[in-house]
Amino acid sequence: EPEVTQTPSHQVTQMGQEVILRCVPISNHLYFYWYRQILGQKVEFLVSFYNNEISEKSEIFDDQFSVERPDGSNFTLKIRSTKLEDSAMYFCASSPWTANNEQFFGPGTRLTVL
Amino acid sequence: DAKTTQPNSMESNEEEPVHLPCNHSTISGTDYIHWYRQLPSQGPEYVIHGLTSNVNNRMASLAIAEDRKSSTLILHRATLRDAAVYYCILRVPANAGGTSYGKLTFGQGTILTVHP
Repeated sequence: EPEVTQTPSHQVTQMGQEVILRCVPISNHLYFYWYRQILGQKVEFLVSFYNNEISEKSEIFDDQFSVERPDGSNFTLKIRSTKLEDSAMYFCASSPWTANNEQFFGPGTRLTVL
Repeated sequence: DAKTTQPNSMESNEEEPVHLPCNHSTISGTDYIHWYRQLPSQGPEYVIHGLTSNVNNRMASLAIAEDRKSSTLILHRATLRDAAVYYCILRVPANAGGTSYGKLTFGQGTILTVHP
């Protein structure tokens, strides 16, 4: 069964450093998302991406964040200058031909900012 | 986004049915009712969704009240693997002029504990 994959599973970085989190969505999906979950808190929407552009973003997704689909398979989330409060689990999700379909989530990347 | 209200926690015994309620009194006519769950240390997982009619799939059933102000997720025979946080989410469809382009807005959900 196809699945969303994410790498790395755990990333440790120093405050102020740039990180890139990688996701490989399910191959025929068209809608892509990033969410995050701070430890013990609820899952929060960050950004949605369709047709090679951002379709919606939350207040969390400020200028420090960017997303890219550099080729036909990868979907990346970049944080330019990490802060302590960026420490969280980051989940990538993808959805097939209509945004109303279910979203398929990856296993997540745990980001720890020291 | 319209709000949902779920109990903080529920408990069940293995192999018994579980009914997880959700109230959504401010639901609009075009909102879909989605259920996701999150097993410990995993990403959210789609369970089921519906609009007006009751729905069944291999994982669960979704019973939607006639006025759509509430719904119930039914796990017919709970297993230990069903222990998770269950989220009831109202989703604005992208083709109805909504500004939510398919995003999911998670609440705190219901923590389901299944006892052996």
